[in-house]
Amino acid sequence: EPEVTQTPSHQVTQMGQEVILRCVPISNHLYFYWYRQILGQKVEFLVSFYNNEISEKSEIFDDQFSVERPDGSNFTLKIRSTKLEDSAMYFCASTPGASGEADTQYFGPGTRLTVL
Amino acid sequence: AQSVAQPEDQVNVAEGNPLTVKCTYSVSGNPYLFWYVQYPNRGLQFLLKYITGDNLVKGSYGFEAEFNKSQTSFHLKKPSALVSDSALYFCAVTSITGGGNKLTFGTGTQLKVEL
Repeated sequence: EPEVTQTPSHQVTQMGQEVILRCVPISNHLYFYWYRQILGQKVEFLVSFYNNEISEKSEIFDDQFSVERPDGSNFTLKIRSTKLEDSAMYFCASTPGASGEADTQYFGPGTRLTVL
Repeated sequence: AQSVAQPEDQVNVAEGNPLTVKCTYSVSGNPYLFWYVQYPNRGLQFLLKYITGDNLVKGSYGFEAEFNKSQTSFHLKKPSALVSDSALYFCAVTSITGGGNKLTFGTGTQLKVEL
């Protein structure tokens, strides 16, 4: 069964450093998402991406964040200058796009980001 | 704005007994409702969803959920709990927003099934 994959599984970085989190969505899916989950808290939407542009973003997704689909398979989340409060589990998700908002979002296993 | 409430942080149930994990929602327009399960150090696994039609939705691993429009609820149920069902369960909602299709999650309910 096709799965969303994410790398690395765990990333440790120093405050102020740039990090890139990578995701490979399910092949033939058209919509891509990033969510984050701060330890012990609920999962929060960051951004959605379709047709090579951002569809929607949350208040969390400020100028320090960016997303990109550099090739036909990868979908990346970049944090330009990490802060302590960016420490969280980051989940990538994708949907086929056939049913719009009724589509099921399939999530990857997550990348745990630790900012020191 | 859309929101989800999961009023119970933890639910304890004995193996073999029925379980219910509660969820209520608030959304403009027709809701699309989802349940996901998260095992320790794992991602979110899709269990089931309600889009339209029959109010009782059946999903993976014997779980089902009942959509109740008047009570704006979407409670997750299972007739006979297993120890292996112990995990963190998230309810989520979305609706037609004109773009993005973001999911709004509840705070999660930790289900503990004991022998």
